[in-house]
Amino acid sequence: DIQMTQSPSSVSASVGDRVTITCRASQGVGSWLAWYQQKPGIAPRLLIYGASSLESGVPSRFSGSGSGTYFTLTISSLQPEDFATYYCQQSGSFPRTFGQGTKVEVK
Amino acid sequence: DVQLLASGGGLVQPGGSLRVSCAASGFSVVNHALSWVRQTPGQGLEWVSTLSGGSGPTWYADSVQGRFTISRDISENSLYLQMNRLRAEDTAIYYCAKTRGVAGIPGAPRAFDIWGHGTRVTVSS
Repeated sequence: DIQMTQSPSSVSASVGDRVTITCRASQGVGSWLAWYQQKPGIAPRLLIYGASSLESGVPSRFSGSGSGTYFTLTISSLQPEDFATYYCQQSGSFPRTFGQGTKVEVK
Repeated sequence: DVQLLASGGGLVQPGGSLRVSCAASGFSVVNHALSWVRQTPGQGLEWVSTLSGGSGPTWYADSVQGRFTISRDISENSLYLQMNRLRAEDTAIYYCAKTRGVAGIPGAPRAFDIWGHGTRVTVSS
């Protein structure tokens, strides 16, 4: 199975900050990497697919990059509605696997 | 609107069975791979199973292989997860999710773009 490791596990930030989350895969997954945002009690929301493609309706302050085993999600200027938990997920092979999540908290 | 509406969760005793459902609207369940993903309260996301679009294969996590069965009903445009021999560790919120790309198109996106709201399954005596 491909293990996905996110860092950091949590980050404290302020509105307007630039936030970067990293995701490492234990094996290469090409560009089959997605990022999701989840708020408490709500289903995850797709932000980025194909490592760097912005899902429709997602603000342009979110961006993704990387390929193979190293990926990043960047929020260029954190907004109040961005405080949430973020997950990466690989779809290069089965079983599909998620990172453990990164919680973006108010500083 | 493209939507998924999950239902069927509840309380079941260890060793028991339960079927959760997911009604799709705005797209055909034949044209996209559909999956179940679960989340233990306060914990991360765990992929459970995927049913390929068209006549493709099904896939299961090792933790549920042989106990859970994923299926769809084209006439009802719905996805199901039959869960047998349930264990305490199966307690979770179960989400159904649609794959972004259309089945059968090489290179089509595999991310989960539409999620149902989730249905809670509790396995306890």
